[in-house]
Amino acid sequence: GAVVSQHPSWVICKSGTSVKIECRSLDFQATTMFWYRQFPKQSLMLMATSNEGSKATYEQGVEKDKFLINHASLTLSTLTVTSAHPEDSSFYICSAFDRRNSNQPQHFGDGTRLSIL
Amino acid sequence: DAKTTQPTSMDCAEGRAANLPCNHSTISGNEYVYWYRQIHSQGPQYIIHGLKNNETNEMASLIITEDRKSSTLILPHATLRDTAVYYCIVRVADAGNMLTFGGGTRLMVKP
Repeated sequence: GAVVSQHPSWVICKSGTSVKIECRSLDFQATTMFWYRQFPKQSLMLMATSNEGSKATYEQGVEKDKFLINHASLTLSTLTVTSAHPEDSSFYICSAFDRRNSNQPQHFGDGTRLSIL
Repeated sequence: DAKTTQPTSMDCAEGRAANLPCNHSTISGNEYVYWYRQIHSQGPQYIIHGLKNNETNEMASLIITEDRKSSTLILPHATLRDTAVYYCIVRVADAGNMLTFGGGTRLMVKP
């Protein structure tokens, strides 16, 4: 089945550091990728939607200058958390979708656990 | 997207069938019912989806009522590895629509 690979799976860094998370679709072309954030004991919250070759669309309350999203190819999207602070510590999850094959479901990566000290 | 209502938690004995209900009384005619699950510290895993007919795959069966206002996900022989949060989501099968996750049902499979 479709596989989405997310890297790294776990990262710890100091406050003020920028962290890049990669999301790759391994056996299909992802025209659309979604980035979610999940805090402990809560459900997934959508942060932004990115379509290949265009700017990402951010949900209300998500700072686009802090969470930089690049979707330059049909198999790769990146989320960069700039100048991360402890409150940015969370579980970040991407999902990928081929809008040209809309009957197929979204597939998710295994998430990146980000801890900011 | 139509709102869904699921029980907060359920228990199931290992080897027995797990029946997870979902109410979606405001579902529209072009909205599908999707089921995902999330095992602790992992990303959501797609299980099954359907429009109005019952569906079955290697993981589960999906039973949708005739009026489409509710559905049941059935795991025929639950194992300990099926312990997870199960999310029922309704949405149109359209390009680019994101999934809106509610609280889901926390299924605990017990030995």
